[in-house]
Amino acid sequence: NAGVMQNPRHLVRRRGQEARLRCSPMKGHSHVYWYRQLPEEGLKFMVYLQKENIIDESGMPKERFSAEFPKEGPSILRIQQVVRGDSAAYFCASSSQGAGANVLTFGAGSRLTVL
Amino acid sequence: QQQVKQSPQSLIVQKGGISIINCAYENTAFDYFPWYQQFPGKGPALLIAIRPDVSEKKEGRFTISFNKSAKQFSLHIMDSQPGDSATYFCAASMMGNFNKFYFGSGTKLNVKP
Repeated sequence: NAGVMQNPRHLVRRRGQEARLRCSPMKGHSHVYWYRQLPEEGLKFMVYLQKENIIDESGMPKERFSAEFPKEGPSILRIQQVVRGDSAAYFCASSSQGAGANVLTFGAGSRLTVL
Repeated sequence: QQQVKQSPQSLIVQKGGISIINCAYENTAFDYFPWYQQFPGKGPALLIAIRPDVSEKKEGRFTISFNKSAKQFSLHIMDSQPGDSATYFCAASMMGNFNKFYFGSGTKLNVKP
């Protein structure tokens, strides 16, 4: 019974390249959330998705960042033209319900390093 | 603007001692307050959570104390063990909303043997 699976666990990119982070939610979970953790800081909400829908992206930077959760396959967080400030751990979480569930299961994270 | 403020940033406790981590919030609409434990290289894992209709919740050695009027809540770890050494995050959310959590900045706990 796998939990929330994220890959890659570590990703190194040079400035200007693209980063793609993938997240497969727990079995039976249809709600996916992405959080970003900068060094020595707490997690910051980025985006909440359900299958084929972005429900709330209020935490996403306006440019270069996008997320999707297709009908088939994992959720993907895409960062175009990465900059050094994008270096962080990106955590995906999933839940079985949206509002009212309040129990998030986190993956182990994808650590992005931008050279 | 930091919605949830957490202190201390780091904490050293002797084995068997009590670890206390404090959090404060501003938004009175918050009605769910979980604590997450994170080991190096791992994702945060739910430790214990409380809703504002109770002032205390205990699970084993872990207790949350909640003060609604002061808008503060704290985590107490009794009989702290070296295996408790981790980073602890408090968080807050609104049940009527989706699961958008506001996290504190974390407390790195080191329990000395």
